Amino acid sequence: KAGVTQTPRYLIKTRGQQVTLSCSPISGHRSVSWYQQTPGQGLQFLFEYFSETQRNKGNFPGRFSGRQFSNSRSEMNVSTLELGDSALYLCASSLAGTRSTGELFFGEGSRLTVL
Amino acid sequence: GNSVTQMEGPVTLSEEAFLTINCTYTATGYPSLFWYVQYPGEGLQLLLKATKADDKGSNKGFEATYRKETTSFHLEKGSVQVSDSAVYFCALSDRVRDDKIIFGKGTRLHILP
Repeated sequence: KAGVTQTPRYLIKTRGQQVTLSCSPISGHRSVSWYQQTPGQGLQFLFEYFSETQRNKGNFPGRFSGRQFSNSRSEMNVSTLELGDSALYLCASSLAGTRSTGELFFGEGSRLTVL
Repeated sequence: GNSVTQMEGPVTLSEEAFLTINCTYTATGYPSLFWYVQYPGEGLQLLLKATKADDKGSNKGFEATYRKETTSFHLEKGSVQVSDSAVYFCALSDRVRDDKIIFGKGTRLHILP
């Protein structure tokens, strides 16, 4: 069974631009969570979507947004990019969200560099 | 709020050495605890978990025991291999509070042959 797929794997943007990242969860998984990973802050929770609804949100500014489609695929968008947004963005899927077993299945991430 | 603190790395050991990576947590509810591992160039994957006090999670020779009295979930392995080189993340999920999985900052482990 295919794992979690994230696209693109690598991208470079300049300050002020916006970016959209995509995540296809494991087939049958209805929950998708997004995390930002940086060397200094580690893994920080962005948001979780379940059945097209945002169920949980981390402490990130409104520039960070996401959505989930009826096929459970998810996108996250970052507008007005800042240098500090450079990070590895990880997507994780699970069958019924963290309220079930708590096990997340991660993709390999999208590495964003902001110049 | 909930948080996870784990020992800073990198940790460098020789093959067959004993490994301990410390993890302590703060939670207002009744968290489940996890260890995830990230091998080079890959996403995270669940290594083991424990859902209540005194539970022991184990997998691939790694073990961790949920200690409520010391709010700890230390990861141990009796004899590490070069293939264990990776970044290890301690995490918690508080099902009473908000279900977000909160991760520690990660501990990089290098095993020398």
